Amino acid sequence: QVQLQESGPGLVKPSETLSLTCTVSGGSISSYYWSWIRQPPGKGLEWIGYIYYSGSSNYNPSLKSRVTMSVDTSKNQFSLKLSSVTAADTAVYYCASEGYSGYDLGLFDYWGQGTLVTVSS
Amino acid sequence: DIVMTQSPDSLAVSLGERATINCKSSHSVLYSSNNKNFLAWYQQKPGQPPKLLIYWASTRASGVSDRFSGSGSGTDFTLTISSLQAEDVAVYYCQQYYSTPRTFGQGTKVEIK
Repeated sequence: QVQLQESGPGLVKPSETLSLTCTVSGGSISSYYWSWIRQPPGKGLEWIGYIYYSGSSNYNPSLKSRVTMSVDTSKNQFSLKLSSVTAADTAVYYCASEGYSGYDLGLFDYWGQGTLVTVSS
Repeated sequence: DIVMTQSPDSLAVSLGERATINCKSSHSVLYSSNNKNFLAWYQQKPGQPPKLLIYWASTRASGVSDRFSGSGSGTDFTLTISSLQAEDVAVYYCQQYYSTPRTFGQGTKVEIK
């Protein structure tokens, strides 16, 4: 059973860079797509983007200018960096797999528990 | 971007009764080459990540109760909970995976009346 766990600072100052890592256990990060999704408190879900194990990526155009994703296959981890954050970036950030268990690309089948990142001075 | 709009925003249903949630996409999510609708439904309980319920608009994910069913095609879709149980209290989201960016509906909160 694949498990995902987000890690990173829970508090980031405005204008700084939010950095999160997702560690994949119980399975390999190779040959699959890995996404970041966020959810502002009490609100809906927003897809941030995905990264393939090879390093190719696809970002939401609404965030593209501020997002960088990377993958470290040796550590079975992938990461998210979001620059120039504001209070509007306060959210629970989830990492998720796309189609890991045989579903098609675009379906989020395994999720981390999520980590709340608050942007505040 | 494909905009997903759900209705209603919330509904309260008696235990054992039917719950129906609608989802409308701003662009058809029916892929003509395979005649499949790239539409999924998720269930999110408080303090938990979403859980995949339905994909291809009407196929239940592994382990999902047959109380849950999906229907629709093109731009109009429905999630039905045939006999609401207490454990079904949650927020339900539709999501299109026809194109990027992946987009979700705003969510429908289902409660017990």
